Amino acid sequence: DSGVTQTPKHLITATGQRVTLRCSPRSGDLSVYWYQQSLDQGLQFLIQYYNGEERAKGNILERFSAQQFPDLHSELNLSSLELGDSALYFCASSLRGQPIETQYFGPGTRLLVL
Amino acid sequence: AQSVTQLGSHVSVSEGALVLLRCNYSSSVPPYLFWYVQYPNQGLQLLLKYTSAATLVKGINGFEAEFKKSETSFHLTKPSAHMSDAAEYFCAVRGNQGGKLIFGQGTELSVKP
Repeated sequence: DSGVTQTPKHLITATGQRVTLRCSPRSGDLSVYWYQQSLDQGLQFLIQYYNGEERAKGNILERFSAQQFPDLHSELNLSSLELGDSALYFCASSLRGQPIETQYFGPGTRLLVL
Repeated sequence: AQSVTQLGSHVSVSEGALVLLRCNYSSSVPPYLFWYVQYPNQGLQLLLKYTSAATLVKGINGFEAEFKKSETSFHLTKPSAHMSDAAEYFCAVRGNQGGKLIFGQGTELSVKP
C-alpha cells in the first residue's frame, strides 16, 4: 500500500459526459501528479500540483482540468468525454515535487467511456 | 528533451533464470532514472532509482540496475527469476526541471515454471 488513495476504482460513463476523479496523497506529501495510461499512448504525464498551485503541465487536453485543494487532495475533471478517453488514470504524490524524490502511485481509476 | 526506450515489449524467462530488461535513455541533463513494476490491476511500485550517488543501484525483491553513461543505459537485472516476478516493468527518466516522469512503453515479463 503506497498510502495514495484514489476514488472511484472503476467508472463507466457515456460519451459527452463529465466525470471527476479524486486523489488523496500520502500523509505529508505536498505534490500531486496525474498520469494517464492507455494501450496506444502508454503512461503519459498530465499535470502536477504543489501545495495548491499548478507546477507543470503535460499532454493534458483542454477538456481536462485539475485542482489541488487546501487539504492537499486533488481532483481531475474530464468533460465532453470521448471513446478515446477510456484509460487508467493514476495519481502519484511526492514530498515537495523535486526531481530526486520518489513518486508514490495510487491504485488508479479505470475509466470506460461507452 | 528526454526520452526512454525499452527494448522488447515482452520478455519470457524460465524460473531461476537471469532476468534482463533493457532501458536506454536520452537526456540533455544528468538524469534521474527509475524502474517501476506494475502487477495486474495495481498501481506502480518503485523498484529502484538512480540519483547519481552510485552507478550500481540495488532495489527491492533482488533487482538491481547499473547506470552506464557511455551507453546511455539503465538495464534492470535479477539473478534468478521467481514466478512472482511476472508483471509489467517500466523505466522512467526525470530531469532537473519539473517533476514529471517520462516513461518507456513497458516490458511485460513472463516467468515459466
